Parts: sequence; structure tokens; C-alpha cells
Amino acid sequence: DGGITQSPKYLFRKEGQNVTLSCEQNLNHDAMYWYRQDPGQGLRLIYYSQIVNDFQKGDIAEGYSVSREKKESFPLTVTSAQKNPTAFYLCASSTGGGRDQPQHFGDGTRLSIL
Amino acid sequence: GENVEQHPSTLSVQEGDSAVIKCTYSDSASNYFPWYKQELGKRPQLIIDIRSNVGEKKDQRIAVTLNKTAKHFSLHITETQPEDSAVYFCAASSAGSYQLTFGKGTKLSVIP
Repeated sequence: DGGITQSPKYLFRKEGQNVTLSCEQNLNHDAMYWYRQDPGQGLRLIYYSQIVNDFQKGDIAEGYSVSREKKESFPLTVTSAQKNPTAFYLCASSTGGGRDQPQHFGDGTRLSIL
Repeated sequence: GENVEQHPSTLSVQEGDSAVIKCTYSDSASNYFPWYKQELGKRPQLIIDIRSNVGEKKDQRIAVTLNKTAKHFSLHITETQPEDSAVYFCAASSAGSYQLTFGKGTKLSVIP
């Protein structure tokens, strides 16, 4: 969806380095999500946020951190504690408070280790 | 928590034939079931969804059926075309939940 912008498209991380993935939406959606996609694994939830200044851990939050200071922005930091960060990262958002609503995805960021 | 199983993992069909992908879920409280299509290197896109108060929903060549008793739902694509080739994901969301649990995906190949 054109309303969700992820950057950068490709990102390389050096050992011991933290990197931040950007996600911005102009859809006025309340809820935002971060997923990790590995081959053959489907989409796994890292973190989600229902409203500004609030977020919850998903199934694979270890080694990741997020913030939600603005409604339109939900950046994801991949910390050095995440030992296997190579994956395709997808940001999504949904309306109606997020409950039982369709999620719309950005184009993703592909993260690799140098 | 919710667990979603998706089968088959790969599916090849001749152009014009039908394709069926099946998913089962574990949480009887789940009430929202979307299907996403993801082309290589692109974002997942919602193609159809169904809620638990409906047994079937159609949109042109695509249909989804839901069996709440058996806790499974299926995607049906008729008259398949080469542009239907992609990875398809099912998902389930429990009532009032912000979380979607995804299946592992089905790679559909439509052979011209």
C-alpha cells in the first residue's frame, strides 16, 4: 500500500552494531506491527503497538526494540543481541483500533550481515 | 496461543485449473481469517478475508470457505492464470486481538 513507507530497502549490519529500520504511515491507522520473514517460516510478529507511547512484545521480540512516539511512525531497532538478524522485515498497520482488522504492509527492508 | 497450519507448502497446477489451499487453526475463539498473496520480493497483499459469522465469501475467481466446527478454512482459486503464481499466506486472529498468526505459506505455480 502506498501509505506505508519502509526505509531503507536494503541494509547491512556489521557485527556488534545496532541498526534502525524506519516505518512511516499516512493512513491515520492506530495500530502498527513489525514482522520478520524467513524462507519457509511465514511471517512472525516481533512487536506491535495499539496506540502512541504503547507497544507489546510479539512472538520473537528478543534482540529487538521499538518506540512509538508519533502515530505515523514505528521504528524498529535490531540490536547486537540479535545474533541472526538476516531476514526480510515487514511493517504493517491497521485501523479500527487494530482489532480483527486487515493489516496493510509496506515494501519491506532486507537486512544482511556484513 | 494460536497455531495455524497451512497445506500444501507447494502447489503446481495447469493454467485454467483450480487451486485449493487449506489452513487449520487451534484457537476456537478465532474469528477473523485473511488471506495474503506475496509475489517474489514484494509486500504481502490482502486478497480476501472472512469472519466467523460467514461460511463462504467470493470475489471473482477467488473464494474462501470456513468450517468453524472443524477449525479449518480454505482458499479456492478457479480458472488459474500465470499471474496467480505467488506465495499465499493464511492467517487467523482471535476475537478482540491485535495479533494475526500466519501460516507458513503455499508457493503456487501456474504452468502455462
